Amino acid sequence: AQSVTQPDIHITVSEGASLELRCNYSYGATPYLFWYVQSPGQGLQLLLKYFSGDTLVQGIKGFEAEFKRSQSSFNLRKPSVHWSDAAEYFCAGRYDYKLSFGAGTTVTVRA
Amino acid sequence: GAVVSQHPSRVICKSGTSVKIECRSLDFQATTMFWYRQFPKQSLMLMATSNEGSKATYEQGVEKDKFLINHASLTLSTLTVTSAHPEDSSFYICSASPGTGGNYEQYFGPGTRLTVT
Repeated sequence: AQSVTQPDIHITVSEGASLELRCNYSYGATPYLFWYVQSPGQGLQLLLKYFSGDTLVQGIKGFEAEFKRSQSSFNLRKPSVHWSDAAEYFCAGRYDYKLSFGAGTTVTVRA
Repeated sequence: GAVVSQHPSRVICKSGTSVKIECRSLDFQATTMFWYRQFPKQSLMLMATSNEGSKATYEQGVEKDKFLINHASLTLSTLTVTSAHPEDSSFYICSASPGTGGNYEQYFGPGTRLTVT
């Protein structure tokens, strides 16, 4: 079955430090991959997506993600986090037309 | 562009009553709309997929008679929670897509918080 795994439930990072969120996928073929961010009580905002081509994808708010086929991974990174980056982050894979979400990673930013 | 709205944003209802949640694509035509449910501190679970003018396709384990979905136009889908009970309390999120193949992506609404007392 197609699935997306986010191994880290909660990450705490200092403001200004770098951030990396892990995502692994399990699909027969390369799915379309997405990273979303959700602030408390809000809907989802798309940070970036990978369909094909360049494996390093640039997104909004200074985020980037790298697709690594050999590792079945699509990790999200940000060089320097801001307090406003504290939120829930979801990795998702689209197989056929449906999105399958990972469990999410909560990011806490400390001053 | 690609804005999706939901109404209401928050609703409290009594057990046994029905609640309707609207999902609208404001600036594009949504061939397909999706309804998700999210429990606190958990991920989104797809409930059903609806295409304009046809019956919704429900995911396994989702009661179609309890969660009625109507996709009456290319800009509006509604989810009706019938005879709601406290266990139906959740955050319901819709998404809309102008297509299902190729590079089409889903655009998410802001969600509706349902509390059943």
